[in-house]
Amino acid sequence: AQSVSQHNHHVILSEAASLELGCNYSYGGTVNLFWYVQYPGQHLQLLLKYFSGDPLVKGIKGFEAEFIKSKFSFNLRKPSVQWSDTAEYFCAVIPQRGGYQKVTFGTGTKLQVIP
Amino acid sequence: GAGVSQTPSNKVTEKGKYVELRCDPISGHTALYWYRQSLGQGPEFLIYFQGTGAADDSGLPNDRFFAVRPEGSVSTLKIQRTERGDSAVYLCASSLTGRVEGIEAFFGQGTRLTVV
Repeated sequence: AQSVSQHNHHVILSEAASLELGCNYSYGGTVNLFWYVQYPGQHLQLLLKYFSGDPLVKGIKGFEAEFIKSKFSFNLRKPSVQWSDTAEYFCAVIPQRGGYQKVTFGTGTKLQVIP
Repeated sequence: GAGVSQTPSNKVTEKGKYVELRCDPISGHTALYWYRQSLGQGPEFLIYFQGTGAADDSGLPNDRFFAVRPEGSVSTLKIQRTERGDSAVYLCASSLTGRVEGIEAFFGQGTRLTVV
């Protein structure tokens, strides 16, 4: 069975600081990788996704993530966070040729950005 | 509305009671998913509908849980004889098809179920 680990449960940063959220997955085959964000009081939204090709993926709002196959990692980064980035971030994995019913989410990282 | 709508947003029920949670997907989306998110956890898959049929119900924890989608649009998740351990946020998502590549799943805001 696949699993997803997000090592940071709660991160507090000042505005303009750089962000890196770790995500490691455990699965023997090829995977599709996702980062979702949930802003306070809102629904889960897709931030970015990786299916194949360039391992550096750019998403919305200046976020990017890098897939490192040898490390089974898909870390999320942003060079300079804003107060509006305060949210909970979830990494997710779906086996290739699986559907959204095969998704495994991490436990989430709560990011608090202090003005 | 343009998004996935779930009602009610909050539900408090007594242990042993029956509850129904409703999901109204994005119009035209054939695939519909239910997930459960317990406190401090990520969402966990419950059941997947393709059209009217449950294509995969392997995530339902036991036979107290049941879901229907009779006309291929609105879905209802039904929980019988609720237990305190059923307390969680129940999320619904829909997508245009059952594929993942090139297809995004859109989530509702969830129903927070509290069993007292």
